[in-house]
Amino acid sequence: DGGITQSPKYLFRKEGQNVTLSCEQNLNHDAMYWYRQDPGQGLRLIYYSQIVNDFQKGDIAEGYSVSREKKESFPLTVTSAQKNPTAFYLCASRIGRGNTEAFFGQGTRLTVV
Amino acid sequence: DQQVKQNSPSLSVQEGRISILNCDYTNSMFDYFLWYKKYPAEGPTFLISISSIKDKNEDGRFTVFLNKSAKHLSLHIVPSQPGDSAVYFCAAPAPTDSGGGADGLTFGKGTHLIIQP
Repeated sequence: DGGITQSPKYLFRKEGQNVTLSCEQNLNHDAMYWYRQDPGQGLRLIYYSQIVNDFQKGDIAEGYSVSREKKESFPLTVTSAQKNPTAFYLCASRIGRGNTEAFFGQGTRLTVV
Repeated sequence: DQQVKQNSPSLSVQEGRISILNCDYTNSMFDYFLWYKKYPAEGPTFLISISSIKDKNEDGRFTVFLNKSAKHLSLHIVPSQPGDSAVYFCAAPAPTDSGGGADGLTFGKGTHLIIQP
């Protein structure tokens, strides 16, 4: 079945460590996105990529980095520079820009202790 | 500044009644809107969408209404069922004529719908 897979579902890291969240899609979508959800907040855009080897900052990119070496994969690294990394992270993909729906993965809950 | 607003953090409705979830937007360039449903610790799932050329779109128990002059849309669920209890997000993609500008969906903060038996 086609879809988006995020791993792991739960992740614990010590403060000051970098951590990478995985996102893979087999929908053949060009565009991929990373969102962050905090309690009482909507989904806020961290980074997006419209095509392989290209990505752009979203609204809250500070302390995060991404890569898009393959169409299917869009990993997100939460660096030690991110001041409040504990959150629920969601990866999504769309066919492309414009009026199309986004498909989401199941999310990764990152807890920094 | 929030471009998509859901002003009710929560809504409680009796099973079998109608649930009405509201959403307002400020960007008049938005021309497409989506509703997502989200359970705790899961990703959002797409429910229904509407283009700005329409004022209503219906899919089974779900109907979305769009009032462009008021920059307001609403999601109606009738009849409401226990499985409808979830957080509902209103979202809009970057306008199609925004050139090479920002991409992605802009989300409201969500409304937690609670269906009471």
